[in-house]
Amino acid sequence: QKEVEQDPGPLSVPEGAIVSLNCTYSNSAFQYFMWYRQYSRKGPELLMYTYSSGNKEDGRFTAQVDKSSKYISLFIRDSQPSDSATYLCASYSGGYQKVTFGTGTKLQVIP
Amino acid sequence: GAVVSQHPSRVICKSGTSVKIECRSLDFQATTMFWYRQFPKQSLMLMATSNEGSKATYEQGVEKDKFLINHASLTLSTLTVTSAHPEDSSFYICSARATGPDTQYFGPGTRLTVL
Repeated sequence: QKEVEQDPGPLSVPEGAIVSLNCTYSNSAFQYFMWYRQYSRKGPELLMYTYSSGNKEDGRFTAQVDKSSKYISLFIRDSQPSDSATYLCASYSGGYQKVTFGTGTKLQVIP
Repeated sequence: GAVVSQHPSRVICKSGTSVKIECRSLDFQATTMFWYRQFPKQSLMLMATSNEGSKATYEQGVEKDKFLINHASLTLSTLTVTSAHPEDSSFYICSARATGPDTQYFGPGTRLTVL
């Protein structure tokens, strides 16, 4: 079992839709949770960063962590064609422990 | 957010040659940098962790003599692919660990094609 599981998609939605991206993880020691966006042939870009459980909002993006169920979510409101990319979730336990990435979900927002 | 640069962005080389990739943190000091490799439609695979002033720590299955890592300063780490072969063709991405928050910022990546 992978430490971080993510549905690879692809996920296609119409412009303006609310997008829900999800990951599950198995390592109870994970404390830090991140979402990265990666455009084709580019390096990942940090979108959201949360510590422990709870919600965090930044513009159209909301990150949610439920440590009791080991579930990580990213919501995108009013999705735009420019949101079309691969979204990677990532987690680690802190300190100098390595970060574990999901395989990424490819999102396509159709105009 | 913190900025990490990589150079070159793209390199094509002949089999048997060596290629050096630079990773720089532009506006912060990074005591730890990471090197990843990404094959098409796959996620990032950590190759090694690089700490300034000390030897890199390689992940299992990564040949340390083939992928030489030097973290010479708090803002620069280099990855040298020695005697490159076509199977080394991949997208190489570095990241640098920043504090406040404690997370990783990624470079734009280097696409290596070995003919």
